[in-house]
Amino acid sequence: SQQGEEDPQALSIQEGENATMNCSYKTSINNLQWYRQNSGRGLVHLILIRSNEREKHSGRLRVTLDTSKKSSSLLITASRAADTASYFCATDSGTYKYIFGTGTRLKVLA
Amino acid sequence: DAGVIQSPRHEVTEMGQEVTLRCKPISGHNSLFWYRQTMMRGLELLIYFNNNVPIDDSGMPEDRFSAKMPNASFSTLKIQPSEPRDSAVYFCASRGPDYEQYFGPGTRLTVT
Repeated sequence: SQQGEEDPQALSIQEGENATMNCSYKTSINNLQWYRQNSGRGLVHLILIRSNEREKHSGRLRVTLDTSKKSSSLLITASRAADTASYFCATDSGTYKYIFGTGTRLKVLA
Repeated sequence: DAGVIQSPRHEVTEMGQEVTLRCKPISGHNSLFWYRQTMMRGLELLIYFNNNVPIDDSGMPEDRFSAKMPNASFSTLKIQPSEPRDSAVYFCASRGPDYEQYFGPGTRLTVT
């Protein structure tokens, strides 16, 4: 099974609302990354959080990491229609071999 | 920088034919990754190179798949012979200095 499992699989919200998606993983990690993929495009790196960090911010993005629960969450505040995409977490266990999760499909309605 | 470049963007071929996908990573990036994405299996790592050397090819599905990186600016993924179940989007990515991966636009392969 995938190292990272995102939850929910799909999320539909109104523009202006916050979107939260979660990622669970199985083994210990060095860092965890979040990526966005627009339909028909390649993945775009959003943010990286290291195993010794608990929270990180970048613009409207907030990522948390709980290594005791082996989980991470991505919060997008004040969502926009342009945020509509699939979001993936990727874990690195120290081998530089990233394992991607199954993704959360986010739809932001204008 | 133009980012990671992949060619072709779309490839339609008949079963049994050889397919070659090409990738040019971002200049200065030492690691390169090939992924395959399908609806059923998600994003799968096929192989990755570090300093042009294949480090882990455990994700390559079978002997029909092969990958090379003859120099720091070019890599190929070859499928010979191709089968319909190889139909997918194939991504190449190179890794930046802070471990982030930069993905190319992908090659959509259809094998009929």
